[in-house]
Amino acid sequence: AQTVTQSQPEMSVQEAETVTLSCTYDTSESDYYLFWYKQPPSRQMILVIRQEAYKQQNATENRFSVNFQKAAKSFSLKISDSQLGDAAMYFCAYRRFQGAQKLVFGQGTRLTINP
Amino acid sequence: EAQVTQNPRYLITVTGKKLTVTCSQNMNHEYMSWYRQDPGLGLRQIYYSMNVEVTDKGDVPEGYKVSRKEKRNFPLILESPSPNQTSLYFCASSRYAGELFFGEGSRLTVL
Repeated sequence: AQTVTQSQPEMSVQEAETVTLSCTYDTSESDYYLFWYKQPPSRQMILVIRQEAYKQQNATENRFSVNFQKAAKSFSLKISDSQLGDAAMYFCAYRRFQGAQKLVFGQGTRLTINP
Repeated sequence: EAQVTQNPRYLITVTGKKLTVTCSQNMNHEYMSWYRQDPGLGLRQIYYSMNVEVTDKGDVPEGYKVSRKEKRNFPLILESPSPNQTSLYFCASSRYAGELFFGEGSRLTVL
Protein backbone atom coordinates (compact mmCIF):
# COMPACT_ATOMS: atom_id res chain seq x y z
CA ALA A 1 0.00 0.00 0.00
CA GLN A 2 1.10 3.52 -0.69
CA THR A 3 2.05 5.79 2.20
CA VAL A 4 2.79 9.51 2.42
CA THR A 5 4.85 11.05 5.22
CA GLN A 6 5.16 14.69 6.22
CA SER A 7 7.78 14.86 8.94
CA GLN A 8 7.22 18.51 9.89
CA PRO A 9 4.05 18.93 11.97
CA GLU A 10 4.62 22.70 12.16
CA MET A 11 6.66 25.29 10.30
CA SER A 12 6.93 29.03 10.54
CA VAL A 13 8.39 31.68 8.26
CA GLN A 14 8.74 35.42 8.17
CA GLU A 15 6.53 37.25 5.74
CA ALA A 16 8.23 37.69 2.33
CA GLU A 17 10.69 34.88 3.04
CA THR A 18 10.85 31.43 1.42
CA VAL A 19 9.83 28.20 3.12
CA THR A 20 10.03 24.56 2.04
CA LEU A 21 7.66 21.87 3.24
CA SER A 22 8.84 18.26 3.02
CA CYS A 23 7.00 15.18 1.84
CA THR A 24 8.15 11.64 1.17
CA TYR A 25 6.10 8.77 -0.16
CA ASP A 26 6.36 5.08 -0.72
CA THR A 27 5.04 3.27 -3.78
CA SER A 28 6.02 0.44 -6.07
CA GLU A 29 4.28 2.02 -9.06
CA SER A 30 6.05 4.03 -11.73
CA ASP A 31 3.17 6.23 -12.85
CA TYR A 32 1.22 8.31 -10.36
CA TYR A 33 0.23 11.84 -9.38
CA LEU A 34 1.37 13.94 -6.45
CA PHE A 35 -0.45 16.92 -5.02
CA TRP A 36 -0.15 19.64 -2.45
CA TYR A 37 -3.40 20.84 -0.88
CA LYS A 38 -3.87 23.89 1.30
CA GLN A 39 -6.45 23.96 4.09
CA PRO A 40 -6.98 27.44 5.55
CA PRO A 41 -9.03 28.03 8.72
CA SER A 42 -12.17 27.89 6.58
CA ARG A 43 -11.40 24.13 6.27
CA GLN A 44 -11.83 24.19 2.49
CA MET A 45 -9.40 21.87 0.67
CA ILE A 46 -7.68 23.91 -2.04
CA LEU A 47 -5.45 22.34 -4.67
CA VAL A 48 -2.13 24.21 -4.75
CA ILE A 49 -0.11 22.23 -7.26
CA ARG A 50 0.05 18.83 -8.95
CA GLN A 51 2.87 16.81 -10.44
CA GLU A 52 2.64 13.89 -12.85
CA ALA A 53 5.34 11.34 -12.07
CA TYR A 54 6.18 10.83 -15.75
CA LYS A 55 7.12 14.50 -16.10
CA GLN A 56 10.70 15.31 -15.17
CA GLN A 57 10.04 19.03 -15.06
CA ASN A 58 9.05 20.35 -11.66
CA ALA A 59 5.59 21.92 -11.52
CA THR A 60 5.22 25.61 -10.67
CA GLU A 61 2.20 27.79 -9.92
CA ASN A 62 3.14 31.42 -9.35
CA ARG A 63 4.91 31.56 -5.96
CA PHE A 64 4.54 27.82 -5.42
CA SER A 65 6.93 25.27 -6.85
CA VAL A 66 7.89 21.68 -6.13
CA ASN A 67 11.11 19.74 -6.02
CA PHE A 68 10.17 16.30 -7.30
CA GLN A 69 12.85 13.65 -6.78
CA LYS A 70 11.36 10.44 -8.16
CA ALA A 71 14.22 8.13 -7.26
CA ALA A 72 14.28 9.43 -3.70
CA LYS A 73 10.47 9.46 -3.54
CA SER A 74 10.52 13.01 -2.32
CA PHE A 75 8.09 15.82 -3.19
CA SER A 76 8.75 19.10 -1.36
CA LEU A 77 6.79 22.34 -1.74
CA LYS A 78 8.56 25.68 -1.89
CA ILE A 79 6.63 28.85 -1.16
CA SER A 80 8.41 32.02 -2.23
CA ASP A 81 7.66 35.52 -0.98
CA SER A 82 5.42 34.15 1.79
CA GLN A 83 2.24 36.08 2.44
CA LEU A 84 -0.06 36.18 5.46
CA GLY A 85 -2.72 34.45 3.38
CA ASP A 86 -0.44 31.43 2.98
CA ALA A 87 -0.97 30.51 6.63
CA ALA A 88 -2.75 27.16 6.59
CA MET A 89 -2.43 23.42 6.99
CA TYR A 90 -0.69 21.88 3.98
CA PHE A 91 -1.24 18.30 2.92
CA CYS A 92 0.82 16.25 0.53
CA ALA A 93 -1.15 13.56 -1.33
CA TYR A 94 -0.56 10.66 -3.72
CA ARG A 95 -2.87 9.16 -6.29
CA ARG A 96 -2.43 6.20 -8.55
CA PHE A 97 -2.27 6.89 -12.26
CA GLN A 98 -5.07 4.46 -13.07
CA GLY A 99 -7.86 2.81 -11.17
CA ALA A 100 -9.74 4.24 -8.21
CA GLN A 101 -9.36 7.94 -7.58
CA LYS A 102 -8.30 7.59 -3.96
CA LEU A 103 -5.94 10.18 -2.57
CA VAL A 104 -3.49 9.00 0.10
CA PHE A 105 -2.69 11.94 2.35
CA GLY A 106 0.20 12.79 4.60
CA GLN A 107 -0.34 13.93 8.17
CA GLY A 108 -0.17 17.62 7.30
CA THR A 109 2.13 20.55 8.12
CA ARG A 110 0.77 23.64 9.81
CA LEU A 111 2.41 26.73 8.35
CA THR A 112 2.49 29.99 10.31
CA ILE A 113 3.48 33.27 8.68
CA ASN A 114 5.08 35.81 11.03
CA PRO A 115 4.50 39.46 10.06
CA GLU B 1 -21.09 27.39 -10.17
CA ALA B 2 -19.41 23.99 -9.97
CA GLN B 3 -19.54 22.73 -6.43
CA VAL B 4 -19.82 19.88 -3.98
CA THR B 5 -22.37 20.59 -1.27
CA GLN B 6 -22.42 18.87 2.11
CA ASN B 7 -25.02 19.12 4.85
CA PRO B 8 -25.00 19.63 7.73
CA ARG B 9 -21.80 21.63 8.15
CA TYR B 10 -21.89 21.17 11.91
CA LEU B 11 -23.63 18.52 13.97
CA ILE B 12 -23.57 17.46 17.59
CA THR B 13 -25.31 14.19 18.33
CA VAL B 14 -25.38 11.43 20.93
CA THR B 15 -24.11 7.87 20.80
CA GLY B 16 -26.42 5.54 18.89
CA LYS B 17 -28.60 8.14 17.20
CA LYS B 18 -28.60 7.45 13.45
CA LEU B 19 -27.55 10.31 11.24
CA THR B 20 -26.96 11.04 7.57
CA VAL B 21 -24.57 13.53 6.04
CA THR B 22 -25.67 14.44 2.55
CA CYS B 23 -23.39 15.18 -0.39
CA SER B 24 -24.42 16.50 -3.77
CA GLN B 25 -22.37 17.58 -6.80
CA ASN B 26 -23.51 19.48 -9.87
CA MET B 27 -20.65 18.58 -12.23
CA ASN B 28 -21.98 15.24 -13.51
CA HIS B 29 -18.94 13.48 -12.03
CA GLU B 30 -18.80 9.71 -12.07
CA TYR B 31 -16.56 9.33 -9.05
CA MET B 32 -17.50 10.35 -5.50
CA SER B 33 -15.90 9.57 -2.16
CA TRP B 34 -15.92 10.31 1.55
CA TYR B 35 -12.92 11.13 3.74
CA ARG B 36 -12.49 11.78 7.41
CA GLN B 37 -9.85 14.12 8.79
CA ASP B 38 -8.30 13.59 12.21
CA PRO B 39 -5.40 15.47 13.81
CA GLY B 40 -2.05 13.89 13.03
CA LEU B 41 -3.58 11.43 10.58
CA GLY B 42 -4.43 13.59 7.59
CA LEU B 43 -7.45 12.57 5.53
CA ARG B 44 -8.42 8.93 5.16
CA GLN B 45 -10.87 7.51 2.67
CA ILE B 46 -14.04 5.93 4.11
CA TYR B 47 -15.97 4.82 1.01
CA TYR B 48 -16.00 5.59 -2.67
CA SER B 49 -18.26 5.14 -5.67
CA MET B 50 -17.21 4.80 -9.30
CA ASN B 51 -20.76 5.32 -10.58
CA VAL B 52 -24.44 4.81 -9.77
CA GLU B 53 -25.02 1.65 -7.71
CA VAL B 54 -21.26 0.97 -7.56
CA THR B 55 -19.69 1.53 -4.15
CA ASP B 56 -16.67 0.10 -2.35
CA LYS B 57 -14.84 0.36 0.94
CA GLY B 58 -11.95 2.69 1.48
CA ASP B 59 -9.40 2.49 4.27
CA VAL B 60 -11.65 3.13 7.29
CA PRO B 61 -15.19 1.91 6.44
CA GLU B 62 -16.18 0.46 9.84
CA GLY B 63 -19.30 2.07 11.27
CA TYR B 64 -20.32 3.77 8.02
CA LYS B 65 -22.67 3.05 5.14
CA VAL B 66 -23.14 4.75 1.79
CA SER B 67 -25.46 4.56 -1.17
CA ARG B 68 -25.35 5.87 -4.74
CA LYS B 69 -28.84 5.80 -6.18
CA GLU B 70 -28.37 8.94 -8.25
CA LYS B 71 -25.24 10.19 -9.94
CA ARG B 72 -25.23 13.53 -8.13
CA ASN B 73 -25.82 12.29 -4.57
CA PHE B 74 -23.64 10.22 -2.25
CA PRO B 75 -24.90 10.28 1.36
CA LEU B 76 -22.83 9.02 4.29
CA ILE B 77 -24.83 7.13 6.91
CA LEU B 78 -23.80 6.50 10.50
CA GLU B 79 -26.27 3.87 11.74
CA SER B 80 -25.12 3.95 15.37
CA PRO B 81 -22.58 6.72 15.88
CA SER B 82 -19.89 6.36 18.52
CA PRO B 83 -17.52 8.95 20.02
CA ASN B 84 -14.62 7.65 17.90
CA GLN B 85 -16.51 8.89 14.85
CA THR B 86 -16.14 12.46 16.03
CA SER B 87 -14.27 13.97 13.11
CA LEU B 88 -14.26 16.36 10.18
CA TYR B 89 -15.80 14.75 7.10
CA PHE B 90 -15.23 15.64 3.46
CA CYS B 91 -17.09 14.57 0.37
CA ALA B 92 -15.24 14.76 -2.96
CA SER B 93 -16.06 14.15 -6.60
CA SER B 94 -14.23 13.95 -9.90
CA ARG B 95 -14.39 12.70 -13.43
CA TYR B 96 -12.42 9.55 -13.99
CA ALA B 97 -8.72 10.51 -13.81
CA GLY B 98 -9.66 14.12 -13.15
CA GLU B 99 -9.03 16.54 -10.33
CA LEU B 100 -10.85 15.93 -7.05
CA PHE B 101 -13.30 18.63 -5.97
CA PHE B 102 -13.96 18.77 -2.23
CA GLY B 103 -16.98 19.92 -0.30
CA GLU B 104 -16.58 22.40 2.55
CA GLY B 105 -16.50 19.75 5.25
CA SER B 106 -18.90 18.60 7.97
CA ARG B 107 -17.79 18.80 11.60
CA LEU B 108 -19.41 15.95 13.53
CA THR B 109 -19.28 15.55 17.31
CA VAL B 110 -20.66 12.38 18.93
CA LEU B 111 -21.19 12.64 22.69
